[in-house]
Amino acid sequence: DIQMTQSPSSLSASVGDRVTITCQASQDINNYLNWYQQKPGKAPKVLIYDASNLETGVPSRFSGSGSGTDFTFTIISLQPEDIATYYCQQYDNLPLTFGGGTKVEIK
Amino acid sequence: QVQLVQSGAEVKKPGASVKVSCKASGYTFTRYGISWVRQAPGQGLEWMGWISGYNGNTNYAQKLQGRVTMTADTSTSTVYMELRSLRSDDTAVYYCARGYGDSSVNGMDVWGQGTTVTVSS
Repeated sequence: DIQMTQSPSSLSASVGDRVTITCQASQDINNYLNWYQQKPGKAPKVLIYDASNLETGVPSRFSGSGSGTDFTFTIISLQPEDIATYYCQQYDNLPLTFGGGTKVEIK
Repeated sequence: QVQLVQSGAEVKKPGASVKVSCKASGYTFTRYGISWVRQAPGQGLEWMGWISGYNGNTNYAQKLQGRVTMTADTSTSTVYMELRSLRSDDTAVYYCARGYGDSSVNGMDVWGQGTTVTVSS
């Protein structure tokens, strides 16, 4: 199975800050990676697909980059509504696997 | 709009079975597959398996092989996930999620609202 190592597991930042989350795959997954946002009590919502493509309707302050084994998710300017847990997910091979999640809080 | 609507919460005893439904609307059912993902309380996301909306082919997570069955009813655009021999560690929110196409190896773009399954004696 492909292991997805996400870091940090949690972070606290101020409104307007730049926030960066990393995800490392245990083997090359090309660019077959999604980033999801999950708010408490809600289903995950896809923000980024194929590592760097913004899903329709998602604000441009969210972005993704990377290929191979190392990926980065960035919120350019953190907003109060961005409080959530973020997950990466690989779809290069079965079983589909997720990172452990990053809980983002406001300082 | 594209929507997945799941059945309601369930409470089951250890050893019982549960069957959760996921009704799709707003798109051509046979052009996409559906994955099931679960989330134990306070934990991360775990992929359980996938079913094709086109021909009913399935792929299951190895740890659930033999306990899980996914089926699809194209006449009602509904997929079902049955989990048998329930244990306390099966307590979780269960989500269905549409894949980007009819392949098991895919990201997921639309998610159901989740179904809470509680296993308790």
